[in-house]
Amino acid sequence: NAGVTQTPKFQVLKTGQSMTLQCAQDMNHEYMSWYRQDPGMGLRLIHYSVGAGITDQGEVPNGYNVSRSTTEDFPLRLLSAAPSQTSVYFCASSYLRGGNNSPLHFGNGTRLTVT
Amino acid sequence: SQQGEEDPQALSIQEGENATMNCSYKTSINNLQWYRQNSGRGLVHLILIRSNEREKHSGRLRVTLDTSKKSSSLLITASRAADTASYFCATRETSGSRLTFGEGTQLTVNP
Repeated sequence: NAGVTQTPKFQVLKTGQSMTLQCAQDMNHEYMSWYRQDPGMGLRLIHYSVGAGITDQGEVPNGYNVSRSTTEDFPLRLLSAAPSQTSVYFCASSYLRGGNNSPLHFGNGTRLTVT
Repeated sequence: SQQGEEDPQALSIQEGENATMNCSYKTSINNLQWYRQNSGRGLVHLILIRSNEREKHSGRLRVTLDTSKKSSSLLITASRAADTASYFCATRETSGSRLTFGEGTQLTVNP
């Protein structure tokens, strides 16, 4: 049981490039989400999904796309990278059954630098 | 804007002392959760308290919830150097499934 796996761990992009951050979980969690963490700002929700084929926007969705074709995978796409997207990105998942009382399980993060 | 706000932003104590962190939030919640983050790692869940609960214990952790004041506190008793980390509160609103985090408290426990 690997939990939540994020790849890559580090990435450097030039402004305007695109890339996909990968996230996979093997716990059969319905809920998956992406956060970015910036100094002094805590974690901000980018996009989330409550099941395969269902996605929704969080607090800071602009510049990012997601899809959920399977229960296990929830990739985050940067369409045209900007320096403002330099951040640490975390994927997290949880069960939804039980009245939303399940904790989030986090990956170890992807540190992205856009130059 | 952030749903949860932690107070203080930073806390430095000596080993053996108790550490108290506070969290305030804005909307009606289903539950409130506390997470810990060691430097360079992902967050790890510590404890969850439901909106109909007032206090919960787990080992050296004690969490209280006051829904009338929209606030929660996390108490770590008999702190250890290994407790040094950032601590975040997160709330799950009654109207949806997403979890919203505060900005965190950086706790330093000096040996």
